[in-house]
Amino acid sequence: GAGVSQSPSNKVTEKGKDVELRCDPISGHTALYWYRQSLGQGLEFLIYFQGNSAPDKSGLPSDRFSAERTGGSVSTLTIQRTQQEDSAVYLCASSALGQEQFFGPGTRLTVL
Amino acid sequence: AQRVTQPEKLLSVFKGAPVELKCNYSYSGSPELFWYVQYSRQRLQLLLRHISRESIKGFTADLNKGETSFHLKKPFAQEEDSAMYYCALSPAGRDDKIIFGKGTRLHILP
Repeated sequence: GAGVSQSPSNKVTEKGKDVELRCDPISGHTALYWYRQSLGQGLEFLIYFQGNSAPDKSGLPSDRFSAERTGGSVSTLTIQRTQQEDSAVYLCASSALGQEQFFGPGTRLTVL
Repeated sequence: AQRVTQPEKLLSVFKGAPVELKCNYSYSGSPELFWYVQYSRQRLQLLLRHISRESIKGFTADLNKGETSFHLKKPFAQEEDSAMYYCALSPAGRDDKIIFGKGTRLHILP
């Protein structure tokens, strides 16, 4: 397969606007993860989906952040009312049960 | 609290010299430890994990539970080793989120 894909690759938005970031996991992978990579903060866990279980949302930094995973496949991370501190690279990863996580190329978000 | 600490932001090493990237972790249970690597313009990828005790691209890492460390070592650095290295832990093994350190940029000097 082609691996984990993410779109868009780059997103520039104005402060206060909402954005949606998409992740297409590797086919058959039951687990999907979102991370944020920002300067000075390294990589931060955001949210984790595993099959039909309730997602682990413990890493979401505020209620402006939410994510969905439809049909156990594609996931969308939504950031409402974006702030400049949301600027970062957002990484998605997927894994089969008990296997390593494979990462996508990321979406670079710039909030002006 | 779960934490991974990489004390060096940047490490410069001459080609052929030994490399050691330091990593310390804080976790009350028995996490799984990993090293991830990100080469320039490439995706983040798994380098090695402690349970497999393998050597990848000449790199090894030994888990020291007493010192809560998981340092990454290579006896002879190569120019292609230049990359960003992240130490990480997973509280419940591979089916769980990963807690990353802030990373160390390794620069191999010719």
